[in-house]
Amino acid sequence: EAGVVQSPRYKIIEKKQPVAFWCNPISGHNTLYWYLQNLGQGPELLIRYENEEAVDDSQLPKDRFSAERLKGVDSTLKIQPAELGDSAVYLCASSSVETGQPGELFFGEGSRLTVL
Amino acid sequence: DQQVKQNSPSLSVQEGRISILNCDYTNSMFDYFLWYKKYPAEGPTFLISISSIKDKNEDGRFTVFLNKSAKHLSLHIVPSQPGDSAVYFCAASDLHSGGYQKVTFGTGTKLQVIP
Repeated sequence: EAGVVQSPRYKIIEKKQPVAFWCNPISGHNTLYWYLQNLGQGPELLIRYENEEAVDDSQLPKDRFSAERLKGVDSTLKIQPAELGDSAVYLCASSSVETGQPGELFFGEGSRLTVL
Repeated sequence: DQQVKQNSPSLSVQEGRISILNCDYTNSMFDYFLWYKKYPAEGPTFLISISSIKDKNEDGRFTVFLNKSAKHLSLHIVPSQPGDSAVYFCAASDLHSGGYQKVTFGTGTKLQVIP
């Protein structure tokens, strides 16, 4: 079974430029998450989708961040314009209430963003 | 307000000895506690969990202990192996509508097992 796939793995951009990250969750997982991980910190939730609906986006900085999950499968996270403080790892995860332990998330390898 | 705290950023242990990673929490509504393991350049992977109604869960070399009165949990790895060297995240979840378990992560402890 394929895991969560993210791309790109690494991205270097200059400040004020746009950037987009893509995620393909595990097949059959209805719940998809985007997490932000700063250096030396744990993952912090940005947004959670149940199928195609964003049900928790309270931590997403909506002035510059946007996300979508068309057709309830793949998802894209966009930052426009990027700021120096956005340099971090962006993790995508998926889960299903029908499989795994309560609270068990399946993470992708992450997309490391460096803003110069 | 950090609800899940890992006060030790790093830990070094000799191969074959016991590794003990600690975690404290503040939210008494958490009903599951989890440990995730993360290697460099990879995403975190689930390791072991425990329900809030239990005080111990064991899986091979890994045992998690929960002390609800102290709001404290720990992960014991025995014997420790060099392949256990990774960052360990403590996490806790609480139930929200629709059966959704909202997961909150600690800041992680980097474990180094010395051969």
